[in-house]
Amino acid sequence: GAVVSQHPSRVICKSGTSVKIECRSLDFQATTMFWYRQFPKQSLMLMATSNEGSKATYEQGVEKDKFLINHASLTLSTLTVTSAHPEDSSFYICSARERGVGTGANVLTFGAGSRLTVL
Amino acid sequence: SQQGEEDPQALSIQEGENATMNCSYKTSINNLQWYRQNSGRGLVHLILIRSNEREKHSGRLRVTLDTSKKSSSLLITASRAADTASYFCATDKRGAQKLVFGQGTRLTINP
Repeated sequence: GAVVSQHPSRVICKSGTSVKIECRSLDFQATTMFWYRQFPKQSLMLMATSNEGSKATYEQGVEKDKFLINHASLTLSTLTVTSAHPEDSSFYICSARERGVGTGANVLTFGAGSRLTVL
Repeated sequence: SQQGEEDPQALSIQEGENATMNCSYKTSINNLQWYRQNSGRGLVHLILIRSNEREKHSGRLRVTLDTSKKSSSLLITASRAADTASYFCATDKRGAQKLVFGQGTRLTINP
């Protein structure tokens, strides 16, 4: 089945540095990828929708300059948390929808998530 | 606001018992899905039910959908300790790219 690889699974960084998280679809082409943020014991909060070859669509309240999303190919999307601060510490999860599959069925394949800790 | 509201927020049962989780939503939908999340991991798709379907089965899972009440339920029969996880419903509108997730139910199966 479809597999999405997310890397790194854990990252610890100092305040003020930037962190890049990668999301790769391993065995399928993903025209659309989604980035979520999840706080402990809470639901997923959609941050942005990433379409290959175009600018990401950010949800209301998500800072575009803070969370840079790039979807340069059909198999790779990246999220860069710029100038990270402790309040950015969270669990970030990506998901992907396979190109051309599931007409009318919006089934997503998720990465395993990345836990970011900003000191 | 969250499209899906789930109850209960947490459920703890004994192994072998059945677990039922409910999801309510506010607007019309195209499909409703259920996902499972083990602690500290990503989500795994369990089952999808279309808006014109009322019930669907997959192994020990049974999902119902009542569009008139804008609600769905997920039943896990003969629960196992390995079923311990958080379960989320997710809805999408026709033509929409994104899914909207409910708040989730944390299910604990006690051996």
